[in-house]
This record gives sequence, structure tokens and C-alpha cells, in this order.
Amino acid sequence: DGGITQSPKYLFRKEGQNVTLSCEQNLNHDAMYWYRQDPGQGLRLIYYSQIVNDFQKGDIAEGYSVSREKKESFPLTVTSAQKNPTAFYLCASEPTGGTNYGYTFGSGTRLTVV
Amino acid sequence: GDSVTQMEGPVTLSEEAFLTINCTYTATGYPSLFWYVQYPGEGLQLLLKATKADDKGSNKGFEATYRKETTSFHLEKGSVQVSDSAVYFCALSVGSGGYQKVTFGIGTKLQVIP
Repeated sequence: DGGITQSPKYLFRKEGQNVTLSCEQNLNHDAMYWYRQDPGQGLRLIYYSQIVNDFQKGDIAEGYSVSREKKESFPLTVTSAQKNPTAFYLCASEPTGGTNYGYTFGSGTRLTVV
Repeated sequence: GDSVTQMEGPVTLSEEAFLTINCTYTATGYPSLFWYVQYPGEGLQLLLKATKADDKGSNKGFEATYRKETTSFHLEKGSVQVSDSAVYFCALSVGSGGYQKVTFGIGTKLQVIP
């Protein structure tokens, strides 16, 4: 079955470390998104990509970076510049950007700073 | 800016009770409206959607009607089950510079007790 795979499910980061969260989809979707979920704040957009080799900043991009070298993959790096990285991170996709198809989400990565 | 308002909850109901989760929105343009559901430790799943005024979205016994005059998209179910316990997110999507910007509400937690 097609879907989105996020890994790892749990990730622990030490202060000053960069960590990379994986997001892979086999849905043949062009558009991919990264969201951060915090209690009481809903979902906030970090980065999005509507096509390979192109991506745009979302509302809270500071301290994060992404790449989109392959259609199937959209990894997110949480850098040491992100001051409060502890959160639940969700990757999503849709067939193409600019449609109202609705998102398919992965099962998330919970990142904790130790 | 665009926004979605829903109560955080928790909403606690007995099994077979009637469910209403309110969602109101403000948006420029003509948004599409969505309900997503999130089970514990998982990503979000698209539950239903409506793309124009007076449309009714429905799925798995849930339904919601796009009411432009009251800027609302309330989620209803006639008889809830324990398995419906989850967090429900209302969201809107509006076109902005070739990109459909999605705004999520904070999520409403539903607890159904036997």
C-alpha cells in the first residue's frame, strides 16, 4: 500500500547537535510538507516543496533546513539554531500543490532535546 | 490573516451520544474546508472535506456542512463509539500566489466512555 514513512519514530537530540528527520513517500505525489505540532498550538508549517529541487519557507522555518533531491524524499534537518526543537514533527504530501485534494500524513517523529 | 477557531476540549461523551464539534473560520477568498482526525501517537488522517458553500462532506458516519453565511464547518456524528476517541482538527485551504495555504485549528480532543 502507498503511504508516507517517517523515521525514526522517536529521536533524542543533545544541545548543539543537528539531527535529520526522514520522510519518504511512494504515492507519486509532487507536493510535500513539514509541520510542527505543539500542544495547544495546532500545526505550524515549517517548509514545503511543490516540485523536485524546489522548496519554500513556511511560517516557522528559522532553525530548520530541507532538501528535495528526489520526488519520493523530503528530509528535514533540525539545526542547533532551533532554540526549542522539542515537538512532534509531521510530514505530509498531496498529488500536486494548489489543489484541494487533502493531505496524506506520515505517522510522525517525536523529537526531544536531552 | 486566515484563522480557524475550535474548542480544545476535551469533549467527553458517553457511547452512542450525539457529537458536535464546532469550527468557525475567517479567510480571504473562498476557502476549502477539511476535518482531520489524529489517533494517539499517530499522524493526521483526512476525515472529510467540502470545497464550496453548502457542500456536505461525509465519511464513516461523520458529516459537516460548509456554511458560508455563518463561516462555519461543524463536525457531527449521530452516535459515537469508543473507537472515535481522538483529536479532531478543522482546517481551511486558500489559494495564495499559486500555493494553497492550509491553516489548522488547535484540535479538539474527544473522549468517548463506555
